[in-house]
Amino acid sequence: EDQVTQSPEALRLQEGESSSLNCSYTVSGLRGLFWYRQDPGKGPEFLFTLYSAGEEKEKERLKATLTKKESFLHITAPKPEDSATYLCAVRPRGTGNQFYFGTGTSLTVIP
Amino acid sequence: EPEVTQTPSHQVTQMGQEVILRCVPISNHLYFYWYRQILGQKVEFLVSFYNNEISEKSEIFDDQFSVERPDGSNFTLKIRSTKLEDSAMYFCASHLTGMNTEAFFGQGTRLTVV
Repeated sequence: EDQVTQSPEALRLQEGESSSLNCSYTVSGLRGLFWYRQDPGKGPEFLFTLYSAGEEKEKERLKATLTKKESFLHITAPKPEDSATYLCAVRPRGTGNQFYFGTGTSLTVIP
Repeated sequence: EPEVTQTPSHQVTQMGQEVILRCVPISNHLYFYWYRQILGQKVEFLVSFYNNEISEKSEIFDDQFSVERPDGSNFTLKIRSTKLEDSAMYFCASHLTGMNTEAFFGQGTRLTVV
């Protein structure tokens, strides 16, 4: 069964304290891995798409990396406005276009 | 910047009533989706729609659910007879042509069934 697991469930960081969020997946072939940010009561906001192991994408303080079994979202020198839930979603082979989401990591950055 | 628009933002309905959730996907997108998120749980796939027909649906999407694209801009989700367990955030999403591109989500409709 295709599965997506995110860790930790919650993370509290001091402003400027860098860290990484993990998304591990077991799917029958990966077509794409997607990172989204979700603010409370809002819809997921697209951040990155990764397609193959070794790929990296960067945007401001965020960098996403991908291996054959997991992806990391690295947050460098976070600011309070980075506080949100970060969702990982995978699109496996043979399942059409639907995403399978993880439960997310709730990030709180304390000033 | 183009965005997916959903209305209403919040809907309260009596159990057993029909509800229609509305979405306006990004104008040049061809693939449309509904997902839901029960409070505190993960975002779950309901249905995908392409070329005026359902292309995939999950086990959640039973006979009580239906989707429609009544005109060139709207995409609707109907729940025929709501149950308490249908209470959730419902997200519409769309993406460009091409099978493996990112999807863009609306802000959601919070459905509360009482």
